[in-house]
Amino acid sequence: EAQVTQNPRYLITVTGKKLTVTCSQNMNHEYMSWYRQDPGLGLRQIYYSMNVEVTDKGDVPEGYKVSRKEKRNFPLILESPSPNQTSLYFCASSLALVDREQFFGPGTRLTVL
Amino acid sequence: TQLLEQSPQFLSIQEGENLTVYCNSSSVFSSLQWYRQEPGEGPVLLVTVVTGGEVKKLKRLTFQFGDARKDSSLHITAAQPGDTGLYLCAGHSSYKLIFGSGTRLLVRP
Repeated sequence: EAQVTQNPRYLITVTGKKLTVTCSQNMNHEYMSWYRQDPGLGLRQIYYSMNVEVTDKGDVPEGYKVSRKEKRNFPLILESPSPNQTSLYFCASSLALVDREQFFGPGTRLTVL
Repeated sequence: TQLLEQSPQFLSIQEGENLTVYCNSSSVFSSLQWYRQEPGEGPVLLVTVVTGGEVKKLKRLTFQFGDARKDSSLHITAAQPGDTGLYLCAGHSSYKLIFGSGTRLLVRP
């Protein structure tokens, strides 16, 4: 089954404790991205990747890091989480950057205390 | 900064009623997509419109892309409780995808 998986689905952590949210897709998509979703603000792009070893900032990259060492995986790293990073996070992949369907993962609900 | 404004933010209607959701911007987009999101899940694509003035129908849902490719609308005919969810528009421009803030629809039986 074609899908995007994220882990963990739920995470409660404390300020400053490094964490990684994993994302994996099995559709051989080149383009992957991370979004955060907050009430009233819609989905905002954090980082995106056009291919292996190619990443770029989205609209809200501060406090986040990503890597793309393999085509299928695109982890999101929070080196020192803060309470304002409490949010619902989605990973997505697509065949191309423009005009193509984005396939979203199920989401990761992160709470930073 | 490109923005997509959706209206209304919330909509609660009775089963069988019609409704229209709007997605507006001052920017031109190469294409516009509509997604639907249910609680606990990621958004799922409903449609992509590419040509100015394009109209696409998906059963009881009708999507229109504005002539100038700056706006779009989603019209639902005879809404059903199964249509309940968060509807998001998203515009493609300069290798980025910009999402609207969403319209939360509740269809009451």
